[in-house]
Amino acid sequence: SQTIHQWPATLVQPVGSPLSLECTVEGTSNPNLYWYRQAAGRGLQLLFYSVGIGQISSEVPQNLSASRPQDRQFILSSKKLLLSDSGFYLCAWSRGTGGMEETQYFGPGTRLLVL
Amino acid sequence: GDSVTQMEGPVTLSEEAFLTINCTYTATGYPSLFWYVQYPGEGLQLLLKATKADDKGSNKGFEATYRKETTSFHLEKGSVQVSDSAVYFCALTSTNSGYALNFGKGTSLLVTP
Repeated sequence: SQTIHQWPATLVQPVGSPLSLECTVEGTSNPNLYWYRQAAGRGLQLLFYSVGIGQISSEVPQNLSASRPQDRQFILSSKKLLLSDSGFYLCAWSRGTGGMEETQYFGPGTRLLVL
Repeated sequence: GDSVTQMEGPVTLSEEAFLTINCTYTATGYPSLFWYVQYPGEGLQLLLKATKADDKGSNKGFEATYRKETTSFHLEKGSVQVSDSAVYFCALTSTNSGYALNFGKGTSLLVTP
């Protein structure tokens, strides 16, 4: 069976500090990978998606970046955090073969508070 | 572009009450439609989905029917339980963005004993 891991679960960081959130998927190959953010008072917003190693597409201009160094690893980074980066970050995967009908499976999330 | 609109919460119901959470969408083409649920402190879980017009998705007593004529996918349950308290998100697959999900803002449901 497939599982998705995210860490850390909770993070408190000062403004201007760097960020690295990691997501890994087990039990599948060549998945599509996604980063979403859920900010207070807002819905879920797609940040990045990846259809393969080294292939990253950004949906929202911001000070965040993503990388996919391995097939089942997806990393969200920032060089300098802003207050507005606070939120709940969710990683998700899908098989990448079913098109519009595909189900996405979400990790447990990382709660980030920037002070 | 594609978008999802769902009723704002919070919704508070007594146990065994009937639940409806409205969801309408705007999309080009024929997206698949989803309801995801987020229990307190957890990530999102798929609740149900429908992939074409008139399909009905169902799971755990919840149902939703893909209505193309009204561009709607309303979530219903005949008798809610305290354990159904959660945030419910309606979503559709985007025709681009690697088939990423386009979510509504979520509806918070609180069921009281």
